[in-house]
Amino acid sequence: SQTIHQWPATLVQPVGSPLSLECTVEGTSNPNLYWYRQAAGRGLQLLFYSVGIGQISSEVPQNLSASRPQDRQFILSSKKLLLSDSGFYLCAWSVRNEQYFGPGTRLTVT
Amino acid sequence: GQNIDQPTEMTATEGAIVQINCTYQTSGFNGLFWYQQHAGEAPTFLSYNVLDGLEEKGRFSSFLSRSKGYSYLLLKELQMKDSASYLCAAYAGNNRKLIWGLGTSLAVNP
Repeated sequence: SQTIHQWPATLVQPVGSPLSLECTVEGTSNPNLYWYRQAAGRGLQLLFYSVGIGQISSEVPQNLSASRPQDRQFILSSKKLLLSDSGFYLCAWSVRNEQYFGPGTRLTVT
Repeated sequence: GQNIDQPTEMTATEGAIVQINCTYQTSGFNGLFWYQQHAGEAPTFLSYNVLDGLEEKGRFSSFLSRSKGYSYLLLKELQMKDSASYLCAAYAGNNRKLIWGLGTSLAVNP
């Protein structure tokens, strides 16, 4: 069966510090991978998606970036965090139609 | 434009039936999803409708009318654990991206 891992579960970072969130999927090959952010009381915002290694599509211009160095690994990064980057970051995967989410990382930028 | 609308909040009583509606406007519609999200957790997949009609899965059923741009999620025999946010989402044209509603927060009271 397929499993998706995200870490860390929670993170508190100061403004201006770098960020690296990692997501890995097990039990499937060549999945589509997604990074979402959910701000408090708001909907899911698609940040990036990837259909293959090295293929990244950005949905919203911002100070975040994503990389897919391996088939089942998706990384979200920032060089300098802003207060507005606080939120619940979710990684998801799909092969056919449904998207399945990882447990998420709750990021607080102080 | 592309848009998904659903009520912000609903309240129901344990043991009752509740219907959560969702209307959508998308280009190149390719299916509608329902997800459940408990507070502080990631969304979990409930259902996917691509053809008109009702699909039943235990206590949960989902209905789709493509001609009306309308779907609903029906929850029967409500339990306290059903208190959660219910998210409606639709594929629009590009199967790699979902358009998300803001979610309906359901409170089940004893």
